[in-house]
Amino acid sequence: SQQGEEDPQALSIQEGENATMNCSYKTSINNLQWYRQNSGRGLVHLILIRSNEREKHSGRLRVTLDTSKKSSSLLITASRAADTASYFCATDRYDKIIFGKGTRLHILP
Amino acid sequence: DVKVTQSSRYLVKRTGEKVFLECVQDMDHENMFWYRQDPGLGLRLIYFSYDVKMKEKGDIPEGYSVSREKKERFSLILESASTNQTSMYLCASSTPWTGHTGELFFGEGSRLTVL
Repeated sequence: SQQGEEDPQALSIQEGENATMNCSYKTSINNLQWYRQNSGRGLVHLILIRSNEREKHSGRLRVTLDTSKKSSSLLITASRAADTASYFCATDRYDKIIFGKGTRLHILP
Repeated sequence: DVKVTQSSRYLVKRTGEKVFLECVQDMDHENMFWYRQDPGLGLRLIYFSYDVKMKEKGDIPEGYSVSREKKERFSLILESASTNQTSMYLCASSTPWTGHTGELFFGEGSRLTVL
């Protein structure tokens, strides 16, 4: 069963705008991760946030985690064409990493 | 650079055939995973392994088996391929977990079509 669910399923924005994706999960976690997948390729790890952290930054990425609401958000600032991809959140469930269904992000020129 | 290599990017097989999907990692990782990815369903965990000769079922193990004879190699086996196993298969590896899960390193995927 899915642990994390991303929202929205798809998002189109103009280049230069910020993109925000959300992830909700069901059970308590040790940490939450975000991954990117370019079309037809494998997933690439973006960022990991631990359950005792509330916010984390990496370059143009900002991730927040609210364990009381069981939710996380990924913000990509100043979007570029190369950011067009699917984005997945992943949470640990027991000893497994479980992925959501992803958000498809399309950056318009 | 860390690397997870999947033996075939594209395969076409016939119903009933035995299919081997190979995955090799060069990072000396203990943990290895097989996921399948389908439109609208995201990634689903098939099997994983924490050590050589060790395997654990994921969420959808039916119709699959795995083999891990060497630390760097994790094979996914479809004993008798069926059309509903047409999918993208993704292998991943990671360092051991200590209560805080580490990142997964993924291969490029193997797109299997079963006719």
